[in-house]
Amino acid sequence: QVTLRESGPALVRPTQPLTLTCTFSGFSLSTSGMSVSWIRQPPGKALEWLALIDSHDDKYYSASLRTRLTISKDTSKNQVVLTMTNMDPVDTATYYCARLGAVGPALDYWGQGTLVTVSS
Amino acid sequence: EIVLTQSPATLSLSPGERATLSCRASQDISSYLAWYQQKPGQSPSLLIYDASNRATGIPARFSGSGSGTDFALTISSLEPEDFAVYYCQQRSNWPPGITFGQGTRLEI
Repeated sequence: QVTLRESGPALVRPTQPLTLTCTFSGFSLSTSGMSVSWIRQPPGKALEWLALIDSHDDKYYSASLRTRLTISKDTSKNQVVLTMTNMDPVDTATYYCARLGAVGPALDYWGQGTLVTVSS
Repeated sequence: EIVLTQSPATLSLSPGERATLSCRASQDISSYLAWYQQKPGQSPSLLIYDASNRATGIPARFSGSGSGTDFALTISSLEPEDFAVYYCQQRSNWPPGITFGQGTRLEI
């Protein structure tokens, strides 16, 4: 059974960094073709892709947020970590991690999401 | 960056009716398109991958079609639980990344 769970702070101060952890089970990121992605969704708005890391440790970032994002993985712990620097109130959103690679380029399993509010 | 444009933004229909949602890509993406359903307070869930393949457990009333730049999601006969927001998504090799459409809200 594949599961993913996001964890991290619910509240972040402006200008501070955000670190989120995706802990998953039921698959391995060392399996060729597998990857984990981060996606966010501001309240009442559309989904926005942030970053992806694959089994070869290749990393891809949203062009508009590239300078603020870092994605990494710990295969032994089944975790993927996303760091976003210089947080702003417009970054308030639900942040999701999701698996990609089992059914083509589609995100077949998602975590429940974690709401991050940026406020002083 | 490949842009996905969904239409209409909102679709108002009744249970039992047929729904057709559109997704247009700014350049040829072959058949590499997925559709998701999102209900209030829930994570998105995969409906269709590779343009026309139903994900595991998805009812046959959901179907996807299209290739190249024009795609559609059809719900043949709406059930009350189908009223939700639907997103299309693609993954490109160059520039590398994933993009989502802006969503279509299907309302009663």
